[in-house]
Amino acid sequence: AQSVTQLGSHVSVSEGALVLLRCNYSSSVPPYLFWYVQYPNQGLQLLLKYTTGATLVKGINGFEAEFKKSETSFHLTKPSAHMSDAAEYFCAVSRGGTASKLTFGTGTRLQVTL
Amino acid sequence: DTGVSQDPRHKITKRGQNVTFRCDPISEHNRLYWYRQTLGQGPEFLTYFQNEAQLEKSRLLSDRFSAERPKGSFSTLEIQRTEQGDSAMYLCASSSVGDATEAFFGQGTRLTVV
Repeated sequence: AQSVTQLGSHVSVSEGALVLLRCNYSSSVPPYLFWYVQYPNQGLQLLLKYTTGATLVKGINGFEAEFKKSETSFHLTKPSAHMSDAAEYFCAVSRGGTASKLTFGTGTRLQVTL
Repeated sequence: DTGVSQDPRHKITKRGQNVTFRCDPISEHNRLYWYRQTLGQGPEFLTYFQNEAQLEKSRLLSDRFSAERPKGSFSTLEIQRTEQGDSAMYLCASSSVGDATEAFFGQGTRLTVV
């Protein structure tokens, strides 16, 4: 079985500050890991994904995440927050080598203040 | 627009009525997924198709739910005898075949059962 835990349902940062959204996973097989963003009343958009290879993954909009197997973590970061980053962020895991059925975390709402 | 399209965007129905939602995936995608998202939660997997074959169903998909993809293109999700607990956002996603290929999500259908 796989699961994802996102620590912090709400995170607030100032514009220009570092964004850090935490994600820990549990998987009995090598995981594939994803971060999605959801704006109000919209579907989900892929920010980045880790499958194999380089553990530091760069995504869209300046976001990146690092896969740390020893810590079972895949935290999302962005050096400088922008007002347009305010949204809900979901970490997800799927089983490597199978269909892309995703197991999502409960999400973290990011608020960006002036 | 060549993205995933869902119809309707919003549906309000009385308890006990049947509802049907439609999803049109990206045309070249073989895989189609249905997820349900309740308020404050991440999306939960319901079922997925590869072409017209329904390959997996979640335990969340009770007997009142049925999904079809008759010609391997669009899909429908029907809920019979709706209950208030069915109120949620129903998300459709599609992807091509392959390891951890990106799933593209539609904007969802928000169901409210009154």
